Amino acid sequence: EDQVTQSPEALRLQEGESSSLNCSYTVSGLRGLFWYRQDPGKGPEFLFTLYSAGEEKEKERLKATLTKKESFLHITAPKPEDSATYLCAVGAGGYQKVTFGTGTKLQVIP
Amino acid sequence: NAGVTQTPKFQVLKTGQSMTLQCAQDMNHEYMSWYRQDPGMGLRLIHYSVGAGITDQGEVPNGYNVSRSTTEDFPLRLLSAAPSQTSVYFCASSYRSSNEQFFGPGTRLTVL
Repeated sequence: EDQVTQSPEALRLQEGESSSLNCSYTVSGLRGLFWYRQDPGKGPEFLFTLYSAGEEKEKERLKATLTKKESFLHITAPKPEDSATYLCAVGAGGYQKVTFGTGTKLQVIP
Repeated sequence: NAGVTQTPKFQVLKTGQSMTLQCAQDMNHEYMSWYRQDPGMGLRLIHYSVGAGITDQGEVPNGYNVSRSTTEDFPLRLLSAAPSQTSVYFCASSYRSSNEQFFGPGTRLTVL
């Protein structure tokens, strides 16, 4: 059974204080690892797809990396508008085989 | 483009009532899905469709029906609502060739 575990559950940072979110996974036949951002009361918004170990992708202050067992979402010099819940998910096999983690709730304080 | 739209935004039902959650997308996406999101649990797939006329079950399909008569619309029907179906429901769509799913704003459903 595919599993995704995200840590920490919640993270509080001062503005400008860099940190990382972790996503550990077990999956048979990784098709892709996905990161989404979810704001309160809204649907998830796609950020990145990573396909193989060693791959990295960046978007503004966010950088996602992937190993064979985990992915990290690095947040550099965060701003209050980066506050959100960040979801990790893994895809295996067909389109419908996507397993989501429970998310990390990030709060960035001015 | 409106993207993925869902109605209603909020709904309260009594046990045993039926209702339909509406989902529409204007991006001509082949794939559409319904998820539910519960506290302490990740998004879980209820039903999905890979094209008009084609639907299949996801991880938690019991108590729900779907149909897809057009590319744009993918309604989710609750046959006889139960308190265990209290949740936030999200519809999502994507191109067949893409892993990027576009999510709607969600419907918050409470079953009393």
